[in-house]
Amino acid sequence: GENVEQHPSTLSVQEGDSAVIKCTYSDSASNYFPWYKQELGKRPQLIIDIRSNVGEKKDQRIAVTLNKTAKHFSLHITETQPEDSAVYFCAASGSYQLTFGKGTKLSVIP
Amino acid sequence: DVKVTQSSRYLVKRTGEKVFLECVQDMDHENMFWYRQDPGLGLRLIYFSYDVKMKEKGDIPEGYSVSREKKERFSLILESASTNQTSMYLCASSLSGGQGEKLFFGSGTQLSVL
Repeated sequence: GENVEQHPSTLSVQEGDSAVIKCTYSDSASNYFPWYKQELGKRPQLIIDIRSNVGEKKDQRIAVTLNKTAKHFSLHITETQPEDSAVYFCAASGSYQLTFGKGTKLSVIP
Repeated sequence: DVKVTQSSRYLVKRTGEKVFLECVQDMDHENMFWYRQDPGLGLRLIYFSYDVKMKEKGDIPEGYSVSREKKERFSLILESASTNQTSMYLCASSLSGGQGEKLFFGSGTQLSVL
């Protein structure tokens, strides 16, 4: 089955700096790569996703890049703000089943 | 907006008890999922269902079963609860069959097995 590795497990940045979270996947058949954000005590929510026919996607301060050849994808957050502090999960899917990474706890220091 | 409701926010059970976790979604979604969330382990899929009365094993189905008698309701059953099943359980749903659908999560049930 699919295996998703996510790094780093924790990340601290100063407010206004950029943050990058990286994931690798094992199954070359995977073609959908979402990112979920989970604030403390709340449910995970989709923030951005990318499909295998696209190399990059942006939504305001958030961007995701995908390298299918290398089987890795990354989340980029620019101009970080305190409200970006949360746990971020990457995931990969080639079917109904979505496999998640173990999460990255991002702390934005004011 | 889609609403996925889990019946209990916190639950305390004893070892060996049969435990039912209930999940209801109100947007006529085809797919429903049960995940388990543990610190440092991320979200792991226990079971999912893509239609009424249909179920598929996820990555960690041992010790669990599920039931989907109605489209809107998906139940997770712990036949004989054990302490290693103490965890946060998250239900999710997605619109239709196929790949690449957004998941809508419930708020979770924190289960403690003593």
